[in-house]
Amino acid sequence: GAVVSQHPSRVICKSGTSVKIECRSLDFQATTMFWYRQFPKQSLMLMATSNEGSKATYEQGVEKDKFLINHASLTLSTLTVTSAHPEDSSFYICSARGGTGSMREQYFGPGTRLTVT
Amino acid sequence: GENVEQHPSTLSVQEGDSAVIKCTYSDSASNYFPWYKQELGKRPQLIIDIRSNVGEKKDQRIAVTLNKTAKHFSLHITETQPEDSAVYFCAASDGAAGNKLTFGGGTRVLVKP
Repeated sequence: GAVVSQHPSRVICKSGTSVKIECRSLDFQATTMFWYRQFPKQSLMLMATSNEGSKATYEQGVEKDKFLINHASLTLSTLTVTSAHPEDSSFYICSARGGTGSMREQYFGPGTRLTVT
Repeated sequence: GENVEQHPSTLSVQEGDSAVIKCTYSDSASNYFPWYKQELGKRPQLIIDIRSNVGEKKDQRIAVTLNKTAKHFSLHITETQPEDSAVYFCAASDGAAGNKLTFGGGTRVLVKP
């Protein structure tokens, strides 16, 4: 099956610094990538949808200037958490989808656990 | 936008018994309904999905049913085993908004040996 990787798997940063998370589709071209945030014992909440070569579409309530998303190629999307604060500590998961049509499977990355101290 | 409700939030069953998780959705345009299993600290894994042109789908001990009229779908796990213990999420695709998935709140399943 399709493989999606994320890097890093865990990161600890100090409050006020920025952190970049990479999401890669290893064996397929991802026309669309999604970024989710998951707090402990909660569901996955979609943060934004990114299509290769275009600006990301952010969900309501997600600050686009704080969570910068870049989808520069068909195999790589990055999420940068700028000026991170302790409340940004969470599990960030990306997913990737290729092809066209509305009923296509999303393949999830392993997630990145961010801790802001 | 789409709203997906999932029940129950926790489910404890005896090994060998069946487990049923139910979800309802709000957007009649949704046409893809996957189910994911997530173990602690791991990525969600697709276990089964159903499209809007199908009413039921089965894969070994797992089955999913879809009622488009009532806008609800269910996951059935038969002959549960301890390794089925995990959090299960239903989801629905929003066909009008970039085909994104909206997830239910999750069901924590515990299978007692």
